[in-house]
Amino acid sequence: DPKIIQKPKYLVAVTGSEKILICEQYLGHNAMYWYRQSAKKPLEFMFSYSYQKLMDNQTASSRFQPQSSKKNHLDLQITALKPDDSATYFCASSQETGGFQDTQYFGPGTRLLVL
Amino acid sequence: GEQVEQLPSILRVQEGSSASINCTYENSASNYFPWYKQEPGENPKLIIDIRSNMERKQTQGLIVLLDKKAKRFSLHITDTQPGDSAMYFCAASVSGSFNKLTFGAGTRLAVCP
Repeated sequence: DPKIIQKPKYLVAVTGSEKILICEQYLGHNAMYWYRQSAKKPLEFMFSYSYQKLMDNQTASSRFQPQSSKKNHLDLQITALKPDDSATYFCASSQETGGFQDTQYFGPGTRLLVL
Repeated sequence: GEQVEQLPSILRVQEGSSASINCTYENSASNYFPWYKQEPGENPKLIIDIRSNMERKQTQGLIVLLDKKAKRFSLHITDTQPGDSAMYFCAASVSGSFNKLTFGAGTRLAVCP
């Protein structure tokens, strides 16, 4: 059974629209992250959350908004979509033990194509 | 912040030989260095990691070396097999950055029979 679920697996959107990428983890972790991978850039950190609290935001645009309704959920809302947003978005999670970097496990990803 | 450079970008080796991938980082406060393997259409999977209190770590045909003075770390795959063909990414995390991983650009490894 997959321990990190990302929905949908594939997503096609129109420029200017808004989409929500879903992530749920069943590893019992208390920290969750979003990364983006595109042909132009390697894996790129976007956000980190711990106990549903934002810890770090490396996205320059406010069009990207994480939403955490439960400890094991971290969704990503993207508004005013642009073709440049086309990428695979990976959710990851780790057991944050305080003071140590912990192994991050990646979900299967959502492939977003913006036309 | 942190910047990670990874070389080579493409690596072709003969089956049974060794493959080496090198990464350098800039921030001396980086203290965690994981390596991920990614197959086409799949998610990155952790294969080995090393922390700054170690210089060498080995597991199942993988060796990681860390040279903090040179700010360099490397992955060595011994006795490569066709199943080792994939993209490999190194990453670094700065102490106090709350686990933010900065990735290298990746190495595409092809193991030829």
